Amino acid sequence: NAGVTQTPKFQVLKTGQSMTLQCAQDMNHEYMSWYRQDPGMGLRLIHYSVGAGITDQGEVPNGYNVSRSTTEDFPLRLLSAAPSQTSVYFCASSSSTGVGNTEAFFGQGTRLTVV
Amino acid sequence: AQTVTQSQPEMSVQEAETVTLSCTYDTSESDYYLFWYKQPPSRQMILVIRQEAYKQQNATENRFSVNFQKAAKSFSLKISDSQLGDAAMYFCAYRGRGNEKLTFGTGTRLTIIP
Repeated sequence: NAGVTQTPKFQVLKTGQSMTLQCAQDMNHEYMSWYRQDPGMGLRLIHYSVGAGITDQGEVPNGYNVSRSTTEDFPLRLLSAAPSQTSVYFCASSSSTGVGNTEAFFGQGTRLTVV
Repeated sequence: AQTVTQSQPEMSVQEAETVTLSCTYDTSESDYYLFWYKQPPSRQMILVIRQEAYKQQNATENRFSVNFQKAAKSFSLKISDSQLGDAAMYFCAYRGRGNEKLTFGTGTRLTIIP
């Protein structure tokens, strides 16, 4: 089982460049999300999706776009990278049973540096 | 909005000893779920243990157990017989019932002293 696959693992961008972080899961999970992890701040929710065609904003959505055209994929787009977006990014997925105690599976993370 | 607080940025423990990591949370919901995640240097997020708020019995997973105090909104993690492989960042997380969004604390870095 591949689980949640994130690419790339590392990336350096120049200010103003755009890029897409890829996330794919093979567990047929309805719910997918993106978090960013910064020192001393834990993980904060950027965007999430409860199914194909449905996305919504999390706690820190500014500067990021998402789309969910398929159940498997949930890419995160940085439109114009800024140094404040230097962070470690995690994609996660879970089976939305409405119960809430289902386990969230995380990708390996992407360390992004914006110079 | 829910908040999760981990007041211990760093902890250390001697190998084979027991350590307790603290977590408090704030919520107006009555039904929810609490989690402890481990993040080793590999960066991978690994679920350690979970607790359903409606269950009074504290969850246990081998050497890991929780002390869940619902009235006090406290959810501490106890690691018994600490091993070198337990060294990691530990995150406490909250999820409301029927809501897949996780709210994380700021983490506690645990060091194991040989």
